[in-house]
Amino acid sequence: AAGVIQSPRHLIKEKRETATLKCYPIPRHDTVYWYQQGPGQDPQFLISFYEKMQSDKGSIPDRFSAQQFSDYHSELNMSSLELGDSALYFCASSLGGYEQFFGPGTRLTVL
Amino acid sequence: AQKVTQAQTEISVVEKEDVTLDCVYETRDTTYYLFWYKQPPSGELVFLIRRNSFDEQNEISGRYSWNFQKSTSSFNFTITASQVVDSAVYFCALSESPTSGTYKYIFGTGTRLKVLA
Repeated sequence: AAGVIQSPRHLIKEKRETATLKCYPIPRHDTVYWYQQGPGQDPQFLISFYEKMQSDKGSIPDRFSAQQFSDYHSELNMSSLELGDSALYFCASSLGGYEQFFGPGTRLTVL
Repeated sequence: AQKVTQAQTEISVVEKEDVTLDCVYETRDTTYYLFWYKQPPSGELVFLIRRNSFDEQNEISGRYSWNFQKSTSSFNFTITASQVVDSAVYFCALSESPTSGTYKYIFGTGTRLKVLA
């Protein structure tokens, strides 16, 4: 069965650079979630989209922006990267309900 | 406000021992969903189980079992006859029915389980 795809799987950036993470949901899923998991921490909700519209927002820094495109894939853009942005970023998709399917994550390292 | 508490930060057991991971949640909703995930060292989140608030039946799946008690707002997870491959961080998560928006998950802080050979 198709799963959530995230790319890249690993990313290394310098401070103050920009990064773009991509998420491809399971086909026909209309909702995408982004979570950030810092080292030794639990995943924290950042933002979600339903039918290409932003639906809910968590503790997402102003330096971060995201969108969901017409083909339902989503991108998380992070600018002016800081050391504290180093984390595992998960994308999850769902068919509008409570059951989320998580991708494998993108590990971002900021040097 | 919703909250998930996993008071056990780290547990170490010897292989073949039974171990219970505790999860206590807070919510004002009558409709909500609870989950357990396993996160091995490789980092992915592996789904283990989900429960909705109307289903208090306990569940057993092989060596895994879950005890859901609404009266104490707990959703505990027991591994019977633990194995080294069970070593991982385990997260409990809660999702409420949204008034608007989506079913975001609130995770507990996780319990790191070490199973020693």
